[in-house]
Amino acid sequence: AQSVTQLDSHVSVSEGTPVLLRCNYSSSYSPSLFWYVQHPNKGLQLLLKYTSAATLVKGINGFEAEFKKSETSFHLTKPSAHMSDAAEYFCVVRVNTGGFKTIFGAGTRLFVKA
Amino acid sequence: DTEVTQTPKHLVMGMTNKKSLKCEQHMGHRAMYWYKQKAKKPPELMFVYSYEKLSINESVPSRFSPECPNSSLLNLHLHALQPEDSALYLCASSQALDREYGYTFGSGTRLTVV
Repeated sequence: AQSVTQLDSHVSVSEGTPVLLRCNYSSSYSPSLFWYVQHPNKGLQLLLKYTSAATLVKGINGFEAEFKKSETSFHLTKPSAHMSDAAEYFCVVRVNTGGFKTIFGAGTRLFVKA
Repeated sequence: DTEVTQTPKHLVMGMTNKKSLKCEQHMGHRAMYWYKQKAKKPPELMFVYSYEKLSINESVPSRFSPECPNSSLLNLHLHALQPEDSALYLCASSQALDREYGYTFGSGTRLTVV
């Protein structure tokens, strides 16, 4: 079975400080992993993805994530938070199971304080 | 063109009304999806089309009826909805169903059933 756990429902940081959003996954198949961001009343935007190439993945807006198979983790980081980063973030796993399966994490709300 | 366009952005409908949601993309993506998102929750998959054929129906009530007239267009026909169907309806597309492809999401239709 496949599952995604976002370890924090809420994260609060000050502007200019690092951001860490944690995601663990479980999968019987080789997964692709994604991070999406959703600003209020908007659709989701793809930040970055891992699909079995380089384990350190760089995305848009200064975000990056590292795939760690031994820890089954795919944590999202950013060196310096900006006010515009305040949003909901979703970690997503996709696997091919003969068909396909996409599993969303429950989401992490990021608050950025001035 | 790198967008998924959804119309209308907002819709209020009575329980006896018939309405349709529209989704359009011109990126040549061959997989298209309808998701339903309730407040403070991740998106829930409703339907998947691959090469204009319905691939997945996640046991959605028959009051929701999807249609894919061509490779660029996806509709969701609504009839006799219930107040609990009020939600943000998101359309997404990807190059194909395979796990390595991320989604491009539209901004959604905010549906209120009265």
